[in-house]
Amino acid sequence: EDKVVQSPLSLVVHEGDTVTLNCSYEVTNFRSLLWYKQEKKAPTFLFMLTSSGIEKKSGRLSSILDKKELFSILNITATQTGDSAIYLCAVERAGGGADGLTFGKGTHLIIQP
Amino acid sequence: DVKVTQSSRYLVKRTGEKVFLECVQDMDHENMFWYRQDPGLGLRLIYFSYDVKMKEKGDIPEGYSVSREKKERFSLILESASTNQTSMYLCASSWDGTISTDTQYFGPGTRLTVL
Repeated sequence: EDKVVQSPLSLVVHEGDTVTLNCSYEVTNFRSLLWYKQEKKAPTFLFMLTSSGIEKKSGRLSSILDKKELFSILNITATQTGDSAIYLCAVERAGGGADGLTFGKGTHLIIQP
Repeated sequence: DVKVTQSSRYLVKRTGEKVFLECVQDMDHENMFWYRQDPGLGLRLIYFSYDVKMKEKGDIPEGYSVSREKKERFSLILESASTNQTSMYLCASSWDGTISTDTQYFGPGTRLTVL
C-alpha cells in the first residue's frame, strides 16, 4: 500500500525563523510529488517535483526531491505569520490505470509574532 | 486511523451520461469535500458539506451536484458528463466545525475519463 509520511506533525516557531518540513514516501510507479498549503477551504498548490536534485523555488519557499532516498523537504526562510497553515505533501503514481494521489497527514505550522 | 474511501479508482463514461462518485469516511467527521485535480491547476474545490443534508458551493460547482443523506457518505453527481470533466476527483473529510484549518483526510482519488 502506498504511504506518505510527513514530519513533524506540528511545529511552532517565531517569526523570522527558518523551517524545514519533511515528506517521505513509498509508492509504486512514482510520477510526481506535490506540496500544498492549506489555510482556507481548499489547499493551494505550491510545487510539483518530478526530478531528483532539482530545487524548485518561489520567494521564501523552496523544495527539493531525493528519489533515491524517497523523500522531499520544503524549506521556508524568514517565516512570517502568514505562513501559518497546514502543509500537505502528496505523491502521484502513474501507469496501468492505477494513477492517483496519496496524501500525507500534513504538518501544522504555527508562526508566532 | 482515518479512512476515506472512494467507490471507484478508475472510471470511463460517455458524454451525456449521468455519473455518481461516492465517498465514505469512517471517523464520524462533520465536514466532507469534493475536489478535482488537473495538471498545473492544483486542487479546486467543487462542493463541501458541513453536516448531513447541508451543502455549499466551492469554487467550481458548475456542472456538478452533491448529496449528503448520511454523515459518512458524500456523493458527487455529474448530471450530464462532458469531456471537460475528465479529471482526477478527490474526496476529503475533516472533523470539527471550523473548516478553515482542520486537517483534511483525503481518499485515493477517482480518475474519470469522459469520452
